[in-house]
Amino acid sequence: DAKTTQPPSMDCAEGRAANLPCNHSTISGNEYVYWYRQIHSQGPQYIIHGLKNNETNEMASLIITEDRKSSTLILPHATLRDTAVYYCIVSLNAGNMLTFGGGTRLMVKP
Amino acid sequence: EPEVTQTPSHQVTQMGQEVILRCVPISNHLYFYWYRQILGQKVEFLVSFYNNEISEKSEIFDDQFSVERPDGSNFTLKIRSTKLEDSAMYFCASSDLLAGLSTDTQYFGPGTRLTVL
Repeated sequence: DAKTTQPPSMDCAEGRAANLPCNHSTISGNEYVYWYRQIHSQGPQYIIHGLKNNETNEMASLIITEDRKSSTLILPHATLRDTAVYYCIVSLNAGNMLTFGGGTRLMVKP
Repeated sequence: EPEVTQTPSHQVTQMGQEVILRCVPISNHLYFYWYRQILGQKVEFLVSFYNNEISEKSEIFDDQFSVERPDGSNFTLKIRSTKLEDSAMYFCASSDLLAGLSTDTQYFGPGTRLTVL
């Protein structure tokens, strides 16, 4: 699986958009970009994933650059409950293991 | 909304003892996984399981570990002789290959905290 690079930490004001970047310059054509988050020591929570098109769901938006070498997770209106470690992971097809890096620790502040 | 469940939430055991961690994956899922997270460290993949056999395993998953799907709903991780360094959060996950798509999403349980004394 391709390796990802994320900033170790970020702050965001409550109510503002949180934009979390991820570099995955060695991603291959059939690898998907997944985003998970982990609140304290809870189980990782799936947020969103995409291949090359931008994606949006009720939690977030995922913007993938045209060359697919980087992506941005957008939480449009961050709340205090969004404080967590966010992981960007690239992965092949079904059944493939997820390789977690260090992630970005997002702190949402009042 | 369907979710992965795990029992117990916390298990304390003596070094050298056997432990079995239990998971109930989401009911129509076909792929099952175990991950672990030592306190303060990254989430690490242990093993994946599909069609009643191990499909992939990491270096961590040595002969002390085994997995089983004893019935149609449970998925278990057994550690035969626990060591101090096995103390960690253990997460079960499951996923389904969606019809017509080549990707899946792994959904994680809340974890079991294993403490080896």
